[in-house]
Amino acid sequence: KNEVEQSPQNLTAQEGEFITINCSYSVGISALHWLQQHPGGGIVSLFMLSSGKKKHGRLIATINIQEKHSSLHITASHPRDSAVYICAATPLGTSGSRLTFGEGTQLTVNP
Amino acid sequence: EAQVTQNPRYLITVTGKKLTVTCSQNMNHEYMSWYRQDPGLGLRQIYYSMNVEVTDKGDVPEGYKVSRKEKRNFPLILESPSPNQTSLYFCASSSRTTTGEQYFGPGTRLTVT
Repeated sequence: KNEVEQSPQNLTAQEGEFITINCSYSVGISALHWLQQHPGGGIVSLFMLSSGKKKHGRLIATINIQEKHSSLHITASHPRDSAVYICAATPLGTSGSRLTFGEGTQLTVNP
Repeated sequence: EAQVTQNPRYLITVTGKKLTVTCSQNMNHEYMSWYRQDPGLGLRQIYYSMNVEVTDKGDVPEGYKVSRKEKRNFPLILESPSPNQTSLYFCASSSRTTTGEQYFGPGTRLTVT
């Protein structure tokens, strides 16, 4: 069993829909990252969370430390949001450069 | 421009021929890492570094070496590449003291025949 698990693995939505991607982890963590991998392969960092909630434009990330769960929400989805979304965790007691990854969620937003 | 660069971007080589993939960052970051990405397995950490001369194994270190002699550079060395090291490799860096945002290089696609 992976220490970090994501769901769903694949998600297809219509433009404008509200999207939620979930990430659960089984170990104590000091930080949780959400990453986006574009169809061309490049990876960008969306959020780093240790508690609470963060918002950037149409993207919202939340984390519940007690439940060991994080969600990434996309409001008013657009075809350009089509990408692979990856969560990654830094286990407690390790340095900030140690990351364990979920399998990724392939999101397709149709016009 | 803040960036992480990797070279080469594409490499086809033969089993056993030593190779080095370079990684360099211009943000004065303390943390640097190497990852490989394979279909169905996702991203996995190979090695990471907390600062100059401080490195540690990730999840899949076998067959790889790293060194961190300068803060900006973190090369990945494959002493004797094998076909199971065919993969897409990413280098990344982040700061110990700020937001922890990860900056990824563009990736190196390696094929070992």
